Amino acid sequence: EVQLVESGGGLVQPGRSLRLSCTTSGFNFGDHGMTWVRQAPGKGLELVGFIRTTHYGGAAEYAASVKDRFTISREDSKSIAYLQMNSLKTEDSAVYYCTRDRGSGWPHPQVLDYWGQGTLVTVSS
Amino acid sequence: DIQLTQSPSFLSASVGDRVTITCRASQGVSSYLAWYQQKPGKAPELLIFPASTLRSGVPSRFSGSGSGTDFTLTISSLQPEDFATYYCLQFNSPVTFGQGTKLEIK
Repeated sequence: EVQLVESGGGLVQPGRSLRLSCTTSGFNFGDHGMTWVRQAPGKGLELVGFIRTTHYGGAAEYAASVKDRFTISREDSKSIAYLQMNSLKTEDSAVYYCTRDRGSGWPHPQVLDYWGQGTLVTVSS
Repeated sequence: DIQLTQSPSFLSASVGDRVTITCRASQGVSSYLAWYQQKPGKAPELLIFPASTLRSGVPSRFSGSGSGTDFTLTISSLQPEDFATYYCLQFNSPVTFGQGTKLEIK
């Protein structure tokens, strides 16, 4: 059974940092790109960024709203994806979902076929 | 980026009704479109991809159609568990989502 479990969310002050983890099981992690999606309270879904498989260099791309502040990485040996969030703003407050790309992430994500349960990040002073 | 526009944004219907939700893309996306269902407090779940193929385990009352720029999600006979928010997603180019359609009980 494919499982994705996010952790690391919480309350953080503006300007601070937070790292989210996505621990996965039930599939060959190294064969799949991973994508982070967020959802602000009462709002729709927004792509945060994605990371390709190591075969494609593990390169990541980001939404304009988070570029240069957020970094996605992966640790294939542990089947974990990470989202490092720096210089957080109040508008980054959202539930953050880790999702599995059905493909490798090259050239971009294919359908996002499995999702974690989400972790809430609240940025507030 | 390709923009996806769903209509309607809100839909009120009754159990047993047939409903259709539309997703229009600002550029052609071939058949690279998926539909998701999200219930309150839960993660979205994949229903259909690409465009018209039902994911394994999804009830047959759900169906999808379309290609290029115009797509539809149809629920043939609404069940109580179908009241949720539905999103389309295109994956022809970097992923973008529609704004969502909230399906409520009349």
